[in-house]
Amino acid sequence: KQEVTQIPAALSVPEGENLVLNCSFTDSAIYNLQWFRQDPGKGLTSLLLIQSSQREQTSGRLNASLDKSSGRSTLYIAASQPGDSATYLCAAIYSSNTGKLIFGQGTTLQVKP
Amino acid sequence: GAGVSQSPSNKVTEKGKDVELRCDPISGHTALYWYRQSLGQGLEFLIYFQGNSAPDKSGLPSDRFSAERTGGSVSTLTIQRTQQEDSAVYLCASSRTAHNEQFFGPGTRLTVL
Repeated sequence: KQEVTQIPAALSVPEGENLVLNCSFTDSAIYNLQWFRQDPGKGLTSLLLIQSSQREQTSGRLNASLDKSSGRSTLYIAASQPGDSATYLCAAIYSSNTGKLIFGQGTTLQVKP
Repeated sequence: GAGVSQSPSNKVTEKGKDVELRCDPISGHTALYWYRQSLGQGLEFLIYFQGNSAPDKSGLPSDRFSAERTGGSVSTLTIQRTQQEDSAVYLCASSRTAHNEQFFGPGTRLTVL
């Protein structure tokens, strides 16, 4: 079964800390992987997309990596800020025939001032 | 340019009534997706459109759910004879093609009384 798992479900860190969010997937034949953030009561904001041929993508303080052999992706957030507090979701596309995203359950991040 | 828009933002209906949810994708995006987010189930894929065709309907939970897309643009998700378990946030997303970055709308919160 094609699944995406995110652990932990919740994380609390002090402002300024560097942190890593984890995402694991069950099938190495992944097509691409996308990271999102969701603020309470809002839709999803795309952060980064990593194609299966790539190993990482960077945007500002965010860096996402993809390791197909181990079935893992990580989202690294540098110098965290209270505004980074949100739920972070990773999602994978497993098939070339559909753009269906399979989502993890998310990690809710709280950055304390 | 404008992002993905959805209407209505909130919909309250009585059990047994039909509802229509609308999605306007980003201009020029050929791929369109519907997802559902509920407390117990997380984010679930419903249907994927490429142009006006729906090559992947695998996530539609029952035959009470249907969707169409016209002119390669606007899409409507219809739920007939609504049930309380249909209560959720319905999210629409679009991308340039099937395997590009997906951009989400703000969602429609459906409450079935």
